[in-house]
Amino acid sequence: DADVTQTPRNRITKTGKRIMLECSQTKGHDRMYWYRQDPGLGLRLIYYSFDVKDINKGEISDGYSVSRQAQAKFSLSLESAIPNQTALYFCATSDRDRDEQFFGPGTRLTVL
Amino acid sequence: AQSVTQLDSQVPVFEEAPVELRCNYSSSVSVYLFWYVQYPNQGLQLLLKYLSGSTLVKGINGFEAEFNKSQTSFHLRKPSVHISDTAEYFCAVTKSNAGNMLTFGGGTRLMVKP
Repeated sequence: DADVTQTPRNRITKTGKRIMLECSQTKGHDRMYWYRQDPGLGLRLIYYSFDVKDINKGEISDGYSVSRQAQAKFSLSLESAIPNQTALYFCATSDRDRDEQFFGPGTRLTVL
Repeated sequence: AQSVTQLDSQVPVFEEAPVELRCNYSSSVSVYLFWYVQYPNQGLQLLLKYLSGSTLVKGINGFEAEFNKSQTSFHLRKPSVHISDTAEYFCAVTKSNAGNMLTFGGGTRLMVKP
């Protein structure tokens, strides 16, 4: 059983469209993260949340917004998608007292 | 702010040969260090981590890494690779008081050839 799930797994959309990527976890962790992966750049942090009422911008938050609907759910939105947001997006979780992050399987987003 | 450099974007190696994937970091404070592996079409999973103590860290699948504070390095090694080790490997660092905020290197693609 997957502990961190992401939906959809693949999405193709057009420039200007609004799109939401969803992440759910059954690990009971407080902390959740959204990253994007681009070739040669590794993973870069978009937003993170240490609990339901705590949302913080990461390294590359421009053009993105998030919502923490519950401890187990953390959604990433692209208000008006643009082609350079084409990337692989990962959600991750971690426990308050541990340092390891656990990753979902990723969402491959293509913006035409 | 900290940064991570993975010096090789691709490393081709024959099966059963040894391999070293290099990682250097920069930080003005003490750090925790991680290696993650990403198999094709999958998310990242932890190979090993250094938090404190012994500088030689052993991980899953026969991998190990050595933390060298003076050289600010955390190189990953395996004495004999298998075809199944073909994947992308990411080095990551977080400040020890940063609450799990990871900074990743650009990744190294390990290609194991028969």
